[in-house]
Amino acid sequence: AQKVTQAQTEISVVEKEDVTLDCVYETRDTTYYLFWYKQPPSGELVFLIRRNSFDEQNEISGRYSWNFQKSTSSFNFTITASQVVDSAVYFCALRDNAGGTSYGKLTFGQGTILTVHP
Amino acid sequence: GAVVSQHPSRVICKSGTSVKIECRSLDFQATTMFWYRQFPKQSLMLMATSNEGSKATYEQGVEKDKFLINHASLTLSTLTVTSAHPEDSSFYICSAREVITAYEQYFGPGTRLTVT
Repeated sequence: AQKVTQAQTEISVVEKEDVTLDCVYETRDTTYYLFWYKQPPSGELVFLIRRNSFDEQNEISGRYSWNFQKSTSSFNFTITASQVVDSAVYFCALRDNAGGTSYGKLTFGQGTILTVHP
Repeated sequence: GAVVSQHPSRVICKSGTSVKIECRSLDFQATTMFWYRQFPKQSLMLMATSNEGSKATYEQGVEKDKFLINHASLTLSTLTVTSAHPEDSSFYICSAREVITAYEQYFGPGTRLTVT
């Protein structure tokens, strides 16, 4: 069975601080995809990144960066110089490569509520 | 491109009535659509997978007779909550998987259901 764990339920930082959101996953598949989504108060999920299991290169996009380590089954997300607009719930998700009628379904972590104070 | 819409965005209904939520892929075809439910301050939980032209696959613990899913075309799936109860009040989110690339999945904006 697949599982995604985001151990940090809530994080509170002051603007301009760096913050790292942890994500640990479990899967028996050798091919899988990992995702991060942002959910602002409006509720709509905002896609941030997709990473496949064969690509362990770290990625940077502006103030966002991701660290994927297969050895520890982790896919951590760092926001550099956080801003108030970063306040949201962040979800890590795992998608397996199994076939069948539920192919492509996502397993979400519990989410981390990030609050950035001015 | 790759826009998924949901209608309505918010709905309030009385206990015992049924409510239908639509999920549409506006600019792409989706063989598969997923329905998720999110309770306040909780994660998204997959309810069912909807494949065009076939019966939906429900996750364990989800009552298929209560949550009716129909995926009649490559751009539309509907979720009907039958005989709604206050405990069905939740945020319902659909996502659509594109036919061509097969792994891209796009989320709708969600529907907030309140049952009084």
